[in-house]
Amino acid sequence: AQTVTQSQPEMSVQEAETVTLSCTYDTSENNYYLFWYKQPPSRQMILVIRQEAYKQQNATENRFSVNFQKAAKSFSLKISDSQLGDTAMYFCASSTSYGKLTFGQGTILTVHP
Amino acid sequence: GAGVSQTPSNKVTEKGKYVELRCDPISGHTALYWYRQSLGQGPEFLIYFQGTGAADDSGLPNDRFFAVRPEGSVSTLKIQRTERGDSAVYLCASSLTSQGTQYFGPGTRLLVL
Repeated sequence: AQTVTQSQPEMSVQEAETVTLSCTYDTSENNYYLFWYKQPPSRQMILVIRQEAYKQQNATENRFSVNFQKAAKSFSLKISDSQLGDTAMYFCASSTSYGKLTFGQGTILTVHP
Repeated sequence: GAGVSQTPSNKVTEKGKYVELRCDPISGHTALYWYRQSLGQGPEFLIYFQGTGAADDSGLPNDRFFAVRPEGSVSTLKIQRTERGDSAVYLCASSLTSQGTQYFGPGTRLLVL
């Protein structure tokens, strides 16, 4: 069984600043993946970043990076140089070995000009 | 190339009616997933197809829900005797393999009156 917890219902940040979204998870899987997805008001779910649990190196995608602490079961997302287009709901998720995703409750991020 | 498409975008029906929701995955993707997202919540897993077979249907809430993927491509989620509690956005995702990145469709918003 998997659980994912996002403890920040809402976050806000000024344009060009840095923000960190928190996520903790629990899983009985030995081989699993962690994800951050972005969902704007259009409701299209967009992959932001993906981390293989067996890799110690933190994943990075341009302005997005993660802090993966496997022992603590923590997986936070850092957004640098925030842009207005980053405004969206962000979901943390974990997957089983066959891709079944378990999502957290989401964090609404608002970027202010 | 074309992404995952879902039809209809919106569906309004009356309590007790039957509905079908369609998902067209990305061509060549063998894995297909259905999720349900209630307002303000993260998506919840419903069912996973590998090819034509339902490999995990543990998320289907009850026997009113059924899904098929007869040719290993298009999938249809079928809901019988709809209830007001079935109102939600139904998301479909596909991936090249079960461990690949899932690409989501725009969802079908179902409203049961």
